[in-house]
Amino acid sequence: DAGVIQSPRHEVTEMGQEVTLRCKPISGHDYLFWYRQTMMRGLELLIYFNNNVPIDDSGMPEDRFSAKMPNASFSTLKIQPSEPRDSAVYFCASSLGGTGYNEQFFGPGTRLTVL
Amino acid sequence: KNQVEQSPQSLIILEGKNCTLQCNYTVSPFSNLRWYKQDTGRGPVSLTIMTFSENTKSNGRYTATLDADTKQSSLHITASQLSDSASYICVVSDAGKYIFGTGTRLKVLA
Repeated sequence: DAGVIQSPRHEVTEMGQEVTLRCKPISGHDYLFWYRQTMMRGLELLIYFNNNVPIDDSGMPEDRFSAKMPNASFSTLKIQPSEPRDSAVYFCASSLGGTGYNEQFFGPGTRLTVL
Repeated sequence: KNQVEQSPQSLIILEGKNCTLQCNYTVSPFSNLRWYKQDTGRGPVSLTIMTFSENTKSNGRYTATLDADTKQSSLHITASQLSDSASYICVVSDAGKYIFGTGTRLKVLA
């Protein structure tokens, strides 16, 4: 298995533009997580899905952020409009089960820079 | 408030030396504690996981300990190698949510 796949790996955009990050989880995993990582705040859970259904989006910072999972093999995180403070590394992770005991497998991340 | 605090923030050691990273948490109820290793430019990778009843677990040169009474965990690295240079993140689960520490940045010098 190729592991969790994220694209793009790097994204540079200007303030106000729409940004879409993509994730393909490991086949067979039923949980998918989106995280944001910054030097100041470390890893923050934004939202997670179980069987394509959003379960907890309390970490989504504001309405500018939205996430979808149209099928078991694809998810997107969209920021519209983007702001410089959104600059961070965004990780997608998947797991088989979501009890907390199940290991999450992380993708390589997307480094987003908003100018 | 559920929190996970790690110390030190950063650490520099010479190759071959041992080191210990600390994780203190106030998460309740407690389900499990996991240590991740994150290489620069990559996503975190799990090293160990411990539940309430476990107080030590090893993965090669990595040994994690857990004291559920004092709510403390440590990650001990033996005979460090250059490849151990990374961030180490402690994650505590309360059976529903994952609470992440901000990590310890370890640099191993030749």
